[in-house]
Amino acid sequence: DGGITQSPKYLFRKEGQNVTLSCEQNLNHDAMYWYRQDPGQGLRLIYYSQIVNDFQKGDIAEGYSVSREKKESFPLTVTSAQKNPTAFYLCASSLTGSTGELFFGEGSRLTVL
Amino acid sequence: EDQVTQSPEALRLQEGESSSLNCSYTVSGLRGLFWYRQDPGKGPEFLFTLYSAGEEKEKERLKATLTKKESFLHITAPKPEDSATYLCAVASGGSNYKLTFGKGTLLTVNP
Repeated sequence: DGGITQSPKYLFRKEGQNVTLSCEQNLNHDAMYWYRQDPGQGLRLIYYSQIVNDFQKGDIAEGYSVSREKKESFPLTVTSAQKNPTAFYLCASSLTGSTGELFFGEGSRLTVL
Repeated sequence: EDQVTQSPEALRLQEGESSSLNCSYTVSGLRGLFWYRQDPGKGPEFLFTLYSAGEEKEKERLKATLTKKESFLHITAPKPEDSATYLCAVASGGSNYKLTFGKGTLLTVNP
């Protein structure tokens, strides 16, 4: 079955440690996205990529980094520079970068102790 | 800056009690308005896309409508399995097709 796989589902880290969240899709979609969701707030865009080897900052990119070396993969690294990293992280993909019909993964919940 | 406001924040209905959720928006050149459903601890699931005022889309007990300032998600005779958070998002003019999401409406349908 086609879809988006995020791992791990739950992650605990100490302050000051970098963390990498995995996102893999087998939908053959060109575009991929990372969103952050906090209680009482809408989804906020961290980074997005419309093609391989290219990505752009979203609204809250500070303290995060990404790579897009393969069409199927778009990992997100939460660095120690991110001031408040505890959140629910959602990866999504779309057929192209010109549609709002996104397919989301199940999410990764990061807790920084 | 694009803005999306959803109301109410939470809505509790009895099974079979129809109602509507509201999504008001302010954008410079609407390219599309999108509704998603999100179950607790899961990623959102796409429901509808609306492009222009007057457009309507239906799926089972849900119907989405669009005006120049707002969208409604009408829920007819809801069932407990319709309980979820419903998210609204807009895409506006410009070269980058980025979505702005509202905070969502938490719908609870009691049996």
